[in-house]
Amino acid sequence: DTGVSQNPRHKITKRGQNVTFRCDPISEHNRLYWYRQTLGQGPEFLTYFQNEAQLEKSRLLSDRFSAERPKGSFSTLEIQRTEQGDSAMYLCASSLYLSGGGEQFFGPGTRLTVL
Amino acid sequence: AQTVTQSQPEMSVQEAETVTLSCTYDTSENNYYLFWYKQPPSRQMILVIRQEAYKQQNATENRFSVNFQKAAKSFSLKISDSQLGDTAMYFCAFMKHVAGNQFYFGTGTSLTVIP
Repeated sequence: DTGVSQNPRHKITKRGQNVTFRCDPISEHNRLYWYRQTLGQGPEFLTYFQNEAQLEKSRLLSDRFSAERPKGSFSTLEIQRTEQGDSAMYLCASSLYLSGGGEQFFGPGTRLTVL
Repeated sequence: AQTVTQSQPEMSVQEAETVTLSCTYDTSENNYYLFWYKQPPSRQMILVIRQEAYKQQNATENRFSVNFQKAAKSFSLKISDSQLGDTAMYFCAFMKHVAGNQFYFGTGTSLTVIP
């Protein structure tokens, strides 16, 4: 296991289409996070899972966004009816939560462009 | 709410010199963690250094050290003996001790090391 992987790395879509991204975390990590990063900004938290349970969602995560982590391993982030404002880098991170704050390991991101 | 401010959008430093990146944050929490992450061009974010708020001693990792001033809510990163490979975007991040452990990121500082 060499780290967090994300697919696809780039996605270009037309407004109104649905897109789905995948994140494969480090295998023993029980927490998985999704962040969104727009140009000139730091990443912003979207949601996180502990094992298969989605424990928190940001207000940034509109009802067009849905995330799953069905077996507590990989996760998918789906955006329905994409809008131009959804164009961003979507980052996935994973961590082994035992207690307190641990390092999050980031994937390379999926860059979404909505035309 | 937690906010993280990085007031230096861009900085440059001569190779082998020392540079300090600034970060301030606002929180009402007493227990938390602070991080510096590095994002090289077109590559994923990696952890540079981490500081637990309850520790008075400043963290160090080889050429990287922090100046943590809890009362002033300041967390600066010093890079000594700068190397060309240090060229990257640097993000300061705050993490609460409890709840979801999601990061709150600053807007980043783009550091260029000049040969």
